[in-house]
Amino acid sequence: DAEITQSPRHKITETGRQVTLACHQTWNHNNMFWYRQDLGHGLRLIHYSYGVQDTNKGEVSDGYSVSRSNTEDLPLTLESAASSQTSVYFCASSYGSGTQYFGPGTRLTVL
Amino acid sequence: AQTVTQSQPEMSVQEAETVTLSCTYDTSESDYYLFWYKQPPSRQMILVIRQEAYKQQNATENRFSVNFQKAAKSFSLKISDSQLGDAAMYFCAYRRGETSGSRLTFGEGTQLTVNP
Repeated sequence: DAEITQSPRHKITETGRQVTLACHQTWNHNNMFWYRQDLGHGLRLIHYSYGVQDTNKGEVSDGYSVSRSNTEDLPLTLESAASSQTSVYFCASSYGSGTQYFGPGTRLTVL
Repeated sequence: AQTVTQSQPEMSVQEAETVTLSCTYDTSESDYYLFWYKQPPSRQMILVIRQEAYKQQNATENRFSVNFQKAAKSFSLKISDSQLGDAAMYFCAYRRGETSGSRLTFGEGTQLTVNP
């Protein structure tokens, strides 16, 4: 069955380290998204992509980057992790104007 | 910019009763979509129901229905015959009606407790 996966599911890192969170979908969706979830804020958009080689900043993109080299993957990189980036991260994908489907989430702790 | 507001951080309901979760949004667009997502303790985001703004008829999915008031920019979720498995965080979300598929704007969420 087609699915969207995230890895790792849990990650603990130290301030200043570079961290990459993986997102992989097998639906052949053209759209992919990264959100972070914090208490009291719901989910907020970090970056998104509408296709290969296309990336766009969301509302909370500072300190994060993405690249889209193929349809299936949109890795999220924290260039220099900060304690304020401790959060739960969700990847999502959709085809055209269709419904977004979410991955299981990654809990990141920055010490 | 579009905003979505859920004014009820927490709600509770007795099993088998009905509960309504509120959501308001602000937009200048005429073409858009509204969604309710459920997030149980597993953290998985699950689509509950979807409403197209151009449709006057309120969407329904089994025990879940919405009251979409376009002029008032209100989009409430009604859960009938509440079950213990309905206990979760519920998020209201907005999306513009772009053909290329646009990002979601979420409300802060409402934590629903179902009491036996």
